Amino acid sequence: DIQMTQSPSSLSASVGDRVTITCRASQTISTFLNWYQQKPGKAPKLLIYVASSLQSGVPSRFSGSGSGTDFTLTISSLQPEDFATYYCQENFSTPPRFGQGTKLEIK
Amino acid sequence: QVQLVQSGAEVKKPGASVKVSCKASGYTFTSYGISWVRQAPGQGLEWMGWISTYNGNTKYTQKFQGRVTMTTDTSTSTAYMELRSLRSDDTAVYYCARDQKFSTNWYDYWGQGTLVTVSS
Repeated sequence: DIQMTQSPSSLSASVGDRVTITCRASQTISTFLNWYQQKPGKAPKLLIYVASSLQSGVPSRFSGSGSGTDFTLTISSLQPEDFATYYCQENFSTPPRFGQGTKLEIK
Repeated sequence: QVQLVQSGAEVKKPGASVKVSCKASGYTFTSYGISWVRQAPGQGLEWMGWISTYNGNTKYTQKFQGRVTMTTDTSTSTAYMELRSLRSDDTAVYYCARDQKFSTNWYDYWGQGTLVTVSS
């Protein structure tokens, strides 16, 4: 099975900061990579699919990039509602795997 | 609007079974698959399996093979996930999520989650 490793595991940042979260796959997955945001007690929300496609309704401050094994999720200017946990997920193989999550906290 | 509404919380004893439902609305049910994802308390997300609402094909992760069954009722636009021989480490929130028609890809709408607690 493919392993997905996110870094950092947690991150403190301030409103207005530019933040980047990294996801690395244990083998090449082309652009079969998706990003989700999850707030406490809520279901995950799809942000980015196929590495860089912005899901409908998601603010443009979110962007994704990468291919092969290395991917990034960038939030260009943090807003108060962005403090949450972020997960990457590969769908190159079955079973699809999630990263362990990156918790984004207020500094 | 697209909605996935799941059944309520369950408390089960070890060895029992649980069946969680997921009623879809706001889209053509058979045009998308359904994946089931679980999350143990304080932990990350774990994909359990996928079902095609179009033809009933399923894919399960090996970890749950033999213990899980995913089905659909197209007449009511409802998907079901049954997990048998429950253990304490099956305690988790179980989510259904809208997936793609012919394979698992990404999950664009999610149910609200169903907490399943396994305890003697």
